[in-house]
Amino acid sequence: NAGVMQNPRHLVRRRGQEARLRCSPMKGHSHVYWYRQLPEEGLKFMVYLQKENIIDESGMPKERFSAEFPKEGPSILRIQQVVRGDSAAYFCASSPPYRTQGETQYFGPGTRLLVL
Amino acid sequence: AQSVTQLDSQVPVFEEAPVELRCNYSSSVSVYLFWYVQYPNQGLQLLLKYLSGSTLVKGINGFEAEFNKSQTSFHLRKPSVHISDTAEYFCAVSDNPNDYKLSFGAGTTVTVRA
Repeated sequence: NAGVMQNPRHLVRRRGQEARLRCSPMKGHSHVYWYRQLPEEGLKFMVYLQKENIIDESGMPKERFSAEFPKEGPSILRIQQVVRGDSAAYFCASSPPYRTQGETQYFGPGTRLLVL
Repeated sequence: AQSVTQLDSQVPVFEEAPVELRCNYSSSVSVYLFWYVQYPNQGLQLLLKYLSGSTLVKGINGFEAEFNKSQTSFHLRKPSVHISDTAEYFCAVSDNPNDYKLSFGAGTTVTVRA
């Protein structure tokens, strides 16, 4: 039973380029969460998605960042015109379809983004 | 939003010795508390969680944690560590109504030496 998959594991971009991070949830899971970890800090919530719906994007920066979870295929976190401050580890998590209070989130290994 | 403080960034410990990792959070009416572990090149794995009930929670791999509401703490303990417990440990908190929004501490790196 494969866990949460993220790719690429490492991504290097120059300032101004676009970064696309992909997340495939665990089999049978329909809720996806994205978190960002800046150096020396804890993971910070960015966005919560269900299939074809953004439920809560209160942690997403207002500009350049977007996320989607289409009916088919992985969830995508897209960062346009990257800047050095976007360098971080981006983690994806998923949970089963019928959420309960305090539901466990299952995390992927993360994508390390480095902006030169 | 909750804030979570892990008081120790690095904890070196000898094999078979006990270890305690400290976690404090900002107060709230009701909280859900989690400890995750991250082994090198892997995702975060849930060790244990507190939702309600008994304040002593037992998790996988011999770990346990105690919820202390008055001190807003959720410290993680293991009585005897193994080399394989070398990893980074994260404390996380969420509260109602948006319990899916986990707030994490900065992590504690545990290095177990023979």
